Amino acid sequence: DQQVKQNSPSLSVQEGRISILNCDYTNSMFDYFLWYKKYPAEGPTFLISISSIKDKNEDGRFTVFLNKSAKHLSLHIVPSQPGDSAVYFCAASHEGNTPLVFGKGTRLSVIA
Amino acid sequence: DGGITQSPKYLFRKEGQNVTLSCEQNLNHDAMYWYRQDPGQGLRLIYYSQIVNDFQKGDIAEGYSVSREKKESFPLTVTSAQKNPTAFYLCASNTGFNYGYTFGSGTRLTVV
Repeated sequence: DQQVKQNSPSLSVQEGRISILNCDYTNSMFDYFLWYKKYPAEGPTFLISISSIKDKNEDGRFTVFLNKSAKHLSLHIVPSQPGDSAVYFCAASHEGNTPLVFGKGTRLSVIA
Repeated sequence: DGGITQSPKYLFRKEGQNVTLSCEQNLNHDAMYWYRQDPGQGLRLIYYSQIVNDFQKGDIAEGYSVSREKKESFPLTVTSAQKNPTAFYLCASNTGFNYGYTFGSGTRLTVV
């Protein structure tokens, strides 16, 4: 039973446009959410996070939005750059009790 | 520089052999984790450890074993009981469950 779902395996976006990556979760106990970026044959690197007490967190070109009632979060990248091409993983945790649960990832391709 | 070191980067194993993947961190993190990545499967938790001399099974622990004799080290043994061991293995650490992970660069294990 997948608790964190990334339903789009891949996404292609033109350079300079907005990339929107989506993530849904089923466990209402999750209260901390993170996005990781991963290049082939490398470990994931932390990108941005959000606590359930917020609905938006911004860091430069990256913004994460959280809709608790819909159990949905999204990552916006504006403007998209070719170097953003990677696999993006959504992850969630239940504070203090469980390891991170990861989605299956979305492969983003930014086309120049 | 602080970080997590996984070795080797590539590993080949004959069927029926056990093999041990190394993971060392100098971040003074209490918790350490092993994940496995397969194409289209995201990151799946194998084992984790919150403290020295203690560890718990993750979602796919069968065929694997771990030890945590030192805070800095969390080696993973892939035994001959693991039916499909070919995968990309990632080690991670953090200071506690409600904090993001730092990942190693991974070990690609191939059974020949």
